[in-house]
Amino acid sequence: EVQLVESGGGLVQPGGSLRLSCVASGFTFSNYAMTWVRQAPGKGLEWLSTISGNAAGTYNADSVGGRFTISRDNFRNVLHLQMDRLRVDDTAVYYCAKESGTSIDYWGQGTPVTVSS
Amino acid sequence: QSALTQPASVSGSPGQSITISCAGTSSDIGNYNLVSWFQQHPGRAPKLIIYEFNKRPSGISDRFSASKSGNTASLTVSGLQAEDEADYYCCSYAGRSTRWVFGGGTKLTVL
Repeated sequence: EVQLVESGGGLVQPGGSLRLSCVASGFTFSNYAMTWVRQAPGKGLEWLSTISGNAAGTYNADSVGGRFTISRDNFRNVLHLQMDRLRVDDTAVYYCAKESGTSIDYWGQGTPVTVSS
Repeated sequence: QSALTQPASVSGSPGQSITISCAGTSSDIGNYNLVSWFQQHPGRAPKLIIYEFNKRPSGISDRFSASKSGNTASLTVSGLQAEDEADYYCCSYAGRSTRWVFGGGTKLTVL
């Protein structure tokens, strides 16, 4: 059974940093691209960043490029999202997701991030 | 503003069918058959119900069907049940750098 468990969310002041983590199990982690998607309160889904299975390729949305960095540890089956220079409009639930090759097929339960002074 | 355009809400009575549209462009839906649909109940993570524009993952009811024509994709839910009440999001691959674009979501209400 595929399981994705995020952690690292919380309350942070504007301009601060957070590092989200996602522990994966139930599949061969290194074989699949992984993605972060967020959902602001009462809003829709927004793709943020994707990393290839071997970490050779990373792709970022323009809205977070330069502030957010995706990475992975294929030995520990962990996905990370380093978020710097956080803004109030970064407040959202952040989801870790597995890609199948042709879609996003599994999602974690999400970790909430609140950026507020 | 979302890249893909969906109606904000649709509704139907139990047993009826509804269709949710998802309008994109020639850079996303029109250029790839990699359209997905997700169901999201309040407070829960999204769940994949359609991939590759018309395929259902194992365990997804055949009451869910989907299609694509040109730059528009559609999701049909037949034989509406109370448990179908949820938000539905379309998603399309949009190329190597943009990767995935989502619709703004459609709230399905079962009357």
